[in-house]
Amino acid sequence: EMQLVESGGGLVQPGGSLKLSCAASGFIFSGSAMHWIRQAPGKGLQWIGRIRSRANSYTTEYAASVKGRFTISRDDSKSTAYLEMNSLKTEDTAVYYCSNRPDVWGHGTTVTVSS
Amino acid sequence: EIVLTQSPGTLSLSPGERATLSCRASQSVSGSYLAWYQQKPGQAPRLLIYGASTRATGIADRFSGSGSGTDFTLTISRLEPEDFAVYYCQQYGTSPYTFGQGTTLDIK
Repeated sequence: EMQLVESGGGLVQPGGSLKLSCAASGFIFSGSAMHWIRQAPGKGLQWIGRIRSRANSYTTEYAASVKGRFTISRDDSKSTAYLEMNSLKTEDTAVYYCSNRPDVWGHGTTVTVSS
Repeated sequence: EIVLTQSPGTLSLSPGERATLSCRASQSVSGSYLAWYQQKPGQAPRLLIYGASTRATGIADRFSGSGSGTDFTLTISRLEPEDFAVYYCQQYGTSPYTFGQGTTLDIK
């Protein structure tokens, strides 16, 4: 069974940094693109970005709202994807999900940016 | 980026009725790469439809998707009590893979 488990969320001050992890199991991680999506409290879904597989040169793409502040990476040896978030703003407060395909999502991890 | 506009924002219906949800794109969605999700409070989204019209595994046949280009529709033929939730469309043909703002389906 495919499974994704996010971790690393928490409370951080504005301007701070946080690194989220997404641990994968049940599928060939190294061959899959990995996506990050977030949902602010009471709001809709926002696609943040993705990292492609080694076969696609680990290329990354980002939404305009996070480009330059967020970085997606992966460690295929650990079957884990990462979302590194810098210069955090209060509007980055959200539940952060990872997904490898539309029908497989993690349960999410909550990030709160507040002083 | 492709902007997806869902309508209506809220749809109030009774169990047994038919629901029709719309998703309109600001430009043509490549390859009909359009998905529909259902989300309930405190849960991750659940995929209902992909490729505009293909039901995901395990999804009841009362859910159907249609459309192409810029206009897409999710139809729920006869509402069951468990169908009252928020529905999102997403295009995954052109990066960034944008979502619509959602339609809330609530009980009348």
